[in-house]
Amino acid sequence: DSGVTQTPKHLITATGQRVTLRCSPRSGDLSVYWYQQSLDQGLQFLIQYYNGEERAKGNILERFSAQQFPDLHSELNLSSLELGDSALYFCASSPRAGGTHTDTQYFGPGTRLTVL
Amino acid sequence: AQSVTQLDSQVPVFEEAPVELRCNYSSSVSVYLFWYVQYPNQGLQLLLKYLSGSTLVKGINGFEAEFNKSQTSFHLRKPSVHISDTAEYFCAVSGTGGFKTIFGAGTRLFVKA
Repeated sequence: DSGVTQTPKHLITATGQRVTLRCSPRSGDLSVYWYQQSLDQGLQFLIQYYNGEERAKGNILERFSAQQFPDLHSELNLSSLELGDSALYFCASSPRAGGTHTDTQYFGPGTRLTVL
Repeated sequence: AQSVTQLDSQVPVFEEAPVELRCNYSSSVSVYLFWYVQYPNQGLQLLLKYLSGSTLVKGINGFEAEFNKSQTSFHLRKPSVHISDTAEYFCAVSGTGGFKTIFGAGTRLFVKA
């Protein structure tokens, strides 16, 4: 158990809908990262937040947005969902803002999103 | 920009045999290199990382990797595998000046009894 929690574990929805994925980082970790894992694209970095502010951006679509709240939990919002958004979405946390080259990322168990 | 190529999508091996999972990267800048393991229905767990210094890096669960700058490789090895090592392994790279991590496509290690 990494200490990172993600809810829900599974989510099934329809095209065009909007969903929110939630992540609670390990106690004391200030950074939260979001990743998308799909069969065709592999594991892709989406976005990083540090202490409430956006820190780094990866291949995140404009239909997707994220935020980190004062209690440090984070939410990933996915809107106008398409079939191709079906994937496993991981959240990771790390103690500091330095990114992977200075501190280790701890991954949550993921949320499996199925868009029908 | 960086990229990572994991040369084998699947590696079947018998229990107690040695294994090598291959990873090549390309980058125009200095990099940090990582290996992660993903067990079924779980998130990724860091096995080991190379930041600088000794090119032979030891990680958890008996794994080690060697950074070879001239060949731009970071192959993962274990001298004797167990059934419990069956998992997917990801090689990853991040540039020393940035925070984004690029993951390889993964190598599925299947250990047979």
